[in-house]
Amino acid sequence: AQKITQTQPGMFVQEKEAVTLDCTYDTSDQSYGLFWYKQPSSGEMIFLIYQGSYDEQNATEGRYSLNFQKARKSANLVISASQLGDSAMYFCAMSLAGTSYGKLTFGQGTILTVHP
Amino acid sequence: SQTIHQWPATLVQPVGSPLSLECTVEGTSNPNLYWYRQAAGRGLQLLFYSVGIGQISSEVPQNLSASRPQDRQFILSSKKLLLSDSGFYLCAWSGTLGTLFFGSGTQLSVL
Repeated sequence: AQKITQTQPGMFVQEKEAVTLDCTYDTSDQSYGLFWYKQPSSGEMIFLIYQGSYDEQNATEGRYSLNFQKARKSANLVISASQLGDSAMYFCAMSLAGTSYGKLTFGQGTILTVHP
Repeated sequence: SQTIHQWPATLVQPVGSPLSLECTVEGTSNPNLYWYRQAAGRGLQLLFYSVGIGQISSEVPQNLSASRPQDRQFILSSKKLLLSDSGFYLCAWSGTLGTLFFGSGTQLSVL
């Protein structure tokens, strides 16, 4: 069975600085997808970025980038130029190819606090 | 564009009472639909998913059930709520590559 581990319960960053949120995963499958979601205090889950296991380049979406290191089974999220609105809970998740899309396994999350 | 609606936003129910949470999706046909639950301060756990009308798969045995009476409607139910059913319930549909798009969630408190 697959597993997602987020070892940072909480992270603090100064506004306009970059921050890296860690995520490691465990699976024996060769084909999988990795996701990051943001959950503000309102509770909604917002999709941020996706990385496929066969993608050779790291995914980027605006200020978000995913540092994918396949051999180390890590998929860290990098947020550049942090903003106060980035304060939220962040979840890393994984899906396996061949299973029903959307059956994601989530990590426990990291609370990010951006200080002015 | 696709939108997903989920209601109610909050719900307080006594132990032993029934439950019905509804979710509807607009702007897409025959979507895969999901119910996830989030315990306080924790990650999400998949409860049910559906690939079509009347097709429900359960991921964990529990006091809950799901139904899909229409293509874009997904309902989470319980006949008798338990204290352990408290949590934040999220409905979602899956797009390209399995990306999940979530509703705004229902905070359920069972007292």
